[in-house]
Amino acid sequence: AQSVAQPEDQVNVAEGNPLTVKCTYSVSGNPYLFWYVQYPNRGLQFLLKYITGDNLVKGSYGFEAEFNKSQTSFHLKKPSALVSDSALYFCAVRDNSGGYQKVTFGTGTKLQVIP
Amino acid sequence: KAGVTQTPRYLIKTRGQQVTLSCSPISGHRSVSWYQQTPGQGLQFLFEYFSETQRNKGNFPGRFSGRQFSNSRSEMNVSTLELGDSALYLCASSLAGRAGNTIYFGEGSWLTVV
Repeated sequence: AQSVAQPEDQVNVAEGNPLTVKCTYSVSGNPYLFWYVQYPNRGLQFLLKYITGDNLVKGSYGFEAEFNKSQTSFHLKKPSALVSDSALYFCAVRDNSGGYQKVTFGTGTKLQVIP
Repeated sequence: KAGVTQTPRYLIKTRGQQVTLSCSPISGHRSVSWYQQTPGQGLQFLFEYFSETQRNKGNFPGRFSGRQFSNSRSEMNVSTLELGDSALYLCASSLAGRAGNTIYFGEGSWLTVV
């Protein structure tokens, strides 16, 4: 069975400071990992994904994420936070083994960027 | 290129009624999945279709059903609505149903059951 955990319900960061939103996962095989952002009353927007290759993945709006296989983590990062980054962030995983698996989403982390 | 389109965007139903939600995927996308989002339960997977076949199903009662048409458009139906079915229902599509494909979400259908 696959699972994903976002240990922080909310992350507060000052504008201009670096931000990190944490995600850890558990899969039987190799993971496909995704980050999505949701603004109020909207659907989820794709930010970035890790399939294979370089452990540092760059995505939309200046976000990046680092895949760490030994720590089974895929933390989302941005060097300098903007107030407009305030939103709900979801990490997701799909196991790349044992047939076609559904995508499992984390519980979400609310990011609050303080002016 | 148009995104994933969901209709209706907002609806209010009475307990015991049924509801049908519609989803048009991004052009060329053949995989469609459905999710229920509530404040208490987060994002819950309902089901996924690829080429008119259900590939995966979440842990929802049989009152929740779906289907996909030959043009990849999808519908989900909830019968005998309960108050707890009030939620944002999200549809997502991906290109070919491969595990590494990115899934793209629509804006959702807000269902309120009274």
